[in-house]
Amino acid sequence: DGGITQSPKYLFRKEGQNVTLSCEQNLNHDAMYWYRQDPGQGLRLIYYSQIVNDFQKGDIAEGYSVSREKKESFPLTVTSAQKNPTAFYLCASSIRESAGELFFGEGSRLTVL
Amino acid sequence: GQQLNQSPQSMFIQEGEDVSMNCTSSSIFNTWLWYKQDPGEGPVLLIALYKAGELTSNGRLTAQFGITRKDSFLNISASIPSDVGIYFCAGQRPINDYKLSFGAGTTVTVRA
Repeated sequence: DGGITQSPKYLFRKEGQNVTLSCEQNLNHDAMYWYRQDPGQGLRLIYYSQIVNDFQKGDIAEGYSVSREKKESFPLTVTSAQKNPTAFYLCASSIRESAGELFFGEGSRLTVL
Repeated sequence: GQQLNQSPQSMFIQEGEDVSMNCTSSSIFNTWLWYKQDPGEGPVLLIALYKAGELTSNGRLTAQFGITRKDSFLNISASIPSDVGIYFCAGQRPINDYKLSFGAGTTVTVRA
């Protein structure tokens, strides 16, 4: 079945460590996104990519990095520069950037110890 | 992205009740979308609206795109226990800025 797969589902990190969250899609979608979700808040956009080898900063990109070497893959690295990294991270894709209909993965919960 | 004002923040439902939630903004949107998120999962698209005044249904769910293009509402009729979760509205602005803005969500819980 087509969909978006995020891994790991749960991740614990010590302060000062970088961690990478995986996102893979087999929907043949051009656009991919990373959102951060905190309790009681809407989804906030971290980074997005319209095509391979191109990506743009969202509203809260500081302390994060991404790559888009393949159409199917859009990994997110949470760096030690991110001051408050504990959150639920959601990856999404859409047919193209102008399409508002997003398909989301199941999310990755990162906890910094 | 601009945050949308979604209300209520939370609500309790009793099986069989009709419930309603809405989303407003000071800006115009070209598209309104409603998503539902179950605990520990990613949001799932419920309804997408593309035209001012549009009224669209998906089973027991009905959503409308406000005529001013600055608001939308979602109704759930004859609620059932599996309707619990967090409902998010999202808006997409016109031209050259396709990023979605999300509301903070409405948490729906079953009344004991």
